[in-house]
Amino acid sequence: DVKVTQSSRYLVKRTGEKVFLECVQDMDHENMFWYRQDPGLGLRLIYFSYDVKMKEKGDIPEGYSVSREKKERFSLILESASTNQTSMYLCASSLRVTGGYEQYFGPGTRLTVT
Amino acid sequence: GENVEQHPSTLSVQEGDSAVIKCTYSDSASNYFPWYKQELGKGPQLIIDIRSNVGEKKDQRIAVTLNKTAKHFSLHITETQPEDSAVYFCAAGSQGNLIFGKGTKLSVKP
Repeated sequence: DVKVTQSSRYLVKRTGEKVFLECVQDMDHENMFWYRQDPGLGLRLIYFSYDVKMKEKGDIPEGYSVSREKKERFSLILESASTNQTSMYLCASSLRVTGGYEQYFGPGTRLTVT
Repeated sequence: GENVEQHPSTLSVQEGDSAVIKCTYSDSASNYFPWYKQELGKGPQLIIDIRSNVGEKKDQRIAVTLNKTAKHFSLHITETQPEDSAVYFCAAGSQGNLIFGKGTKLSVKP
């Protein structure tokens, strides 16, 4: 079974703090993704990565950055947390094969910025 | 930009009834259409998917249909059970990325 783990289930941070969200997958997947999930807005893509040290902006990258130093690990960084970044953050991974886009999700990190 | 519309946003059915959730997509290059189920406090889990060379796929009580000409696809759940209560997301994929619908909260009343 594919396993995607996220470092924290719940996190509370103060405005202006630097926040790191970690994601690890154990299935040697090339692709990794970070989404945020808000009520009524569904899942919105923040950043994704197709390979180590590679990153691409998604639909809402402002205020976020990412790091992928190892194939199995993809980190989301909030350089200076703001209250409008309070949300559920979901990490996902998938194989990079033609026609195969199955994404496997972690359990999510609920981040509250006060 | 590319978009996936999902309806309804909430759906309440009696146990044993059928439930249908519908999605439309805008990107004609989309060729992969998964459905995810998200239970409270958990990440989305893939329950069924269909590719553009297939019109229908069934797995026990769940089925998905795809109409590429009309750019819409649907999830059908028969003989619903209380454990089917969850939020369901459709998505459309091309080039390795997925565009998600906004979700449908399904409630199955015993």
